Amino acid sequence: EVQLVESGGGLVQPGGSLRLSCAASGFTLTDYVMSWVRQAPGKGLEWVSGISGGGGDIFYADSVKGRFTISRDISKNTVYLQMSSLRVEDTAIYYCAKRSGGSGNFDPWGQGTLVTVSS
Amino acid sequence: QSALTQPASVSGSPGQSITISCTGTSSDIGAYNYVSWYQQHPGKAPKLMIYDVSNRPSGVSNRFSGSKSGNTASLTISGLQAEDEADYYCNSYTSSSTWVFGGGTKLTVL
Repeated sequence: EVQLVESGGGLVQPGGSLRLSCAASGFTLTDYVMSWVRQAPGKGLEWVSGISGGGGDIFYADSVKGRFTISRDISKNTVYLQMSSLRVEDTAIYYCAKRSGGSGNFDPWGQGTLVTVSS
Repeated sequence: QSALTQPASVSGSPGQSITISCTGTSSDIGAYNYVSWYQQHPGKAPKLMIYDVSNRPSGVSNRFSGSKSGNTASLTISGLQAEDEADYYCNSYTSSSTWVFGGGTKLTVL
């Protein structure tokens, strides 16, 4: 069974840093594109970042470019999102999702991890 | 990248059909067939309902269908059921190699 489990969320002050993890099971990261998508409280979905199966293609939304870094550890089958210079507006539930290359299907999604940026 | 445009809310009675529109530009919906739709119930993670404009994942009811014309994509739900009440989001690939979601549509089953 394909499963994604996020962790690492919590309360952080503005300007601080946090690293999120997404542990994947039931498939190999090298075969799929992995993405992070966030949802601010009561708001819609926002795509944040993606990394290709080969790891060589990485993309970011303009809102996080230069502050967030996506990476992965193949040996742990885990994807990470390193977040720095955090802002109040980064407060959201962060989901990771798997996508098949050559298709627009984010499926499945993890349960999400809540990041709260507040002083 | 601006969000795709969806109506804030739609409603329908059980058994009826509803359609949710999703309008983008020639740089996203109009340029690629990578349009997908997601259902989200309160407190839950989104669930894929339609991908690549009109494909339905295994396990998704055939009451859900998708289409696209120009810069606008649509999700149609036929034979509305109470459990269809949820938020629905469209999504598209963009010419900037990024992905953009719609603002979301709240479906109310009357």
